[in-house]
Amino acid sequence: AQSVTQLGSHVSVSEGALVLLRCNYSSSVPPYLFWYVQYPNQGLQLLLKYTSAATLVKGINGFEAEFKKSETSFHLTKPSAHMSDAAEYFCAVRAAEKLVFGKGTKLTVNP
Amino acid sequence: GAVVSQHPSRVICKSGTSVKIECRSLDFQATTMFWYRQFPKKSLMLMATSNEGSKATYEQGVEKDKFLINHASLTLSTLTVTSAHPEDSSFYICSARDRNGRAGSNEQFFGPGTRLTVL
Repeated sequence: AQSVTQLGSHVSVSEGALVLLRCNYSSSVPPYLFWYVQYPNQGLQLLLKYTSAATLVKGINGFEAEFKKSETSFHLTKPSAHMSDAAEYFCAVRAAEKLVFGKGTKLTVNP
Repeated sequence: GAVVSQHPSRVICKSGTSVKIECRSLDFQATTMFWYRQFPKKSLMLMATSNEGSKATYEQGVEKDKFLINHASLTLSTLTVTSAHPEDSSFYICSARDRNGRAGSNEQFFGPGTRLTVL
């Protein structure tokens, strides 16, 4: 069964610093992987998705993620954190027609 | 494009009453909609998959008689929490999949969520 594991329930960075949110996946078939962002009391917004095309995927708001099959990873990065990036981030893998989510990582950006 | 709305955004009800939450795809047709529940500081748990014109498929452990799902049209699915109790208080989020696959890869578009508080 497909699953994702997000390492670190809480990540804190300084404004302008590199953001790295980790996600490892488990899948018996080539995975479709997603990163979503959730602001307080709101739904989920898609940041980016991997669908077996390019391994480096660029998303919105300056985020990108790299699919590494050898490491079964799909980590999310952003070169320079902004205060507005503070939110909850979820990694997800498609399983049949469903999405299976990780437990989420709360990103805090300190001034 | 690909906007999903939910109504209401927030509801407070008394224990024992029923609450209906609507999920609408505003600019696309959605043959499949999904209902999720999110506990505070937790991830999203899929409750059920709703297909237009057919019965919903519930995930293991979800009471189908308590969480009634109706997907009567290609743009509307409803979740009714029957005889709500305080433990049903949660954040409910729906998502919809574009029938025509404009976004490709069967992407799900999420609604803004509904905060249910049962007193």
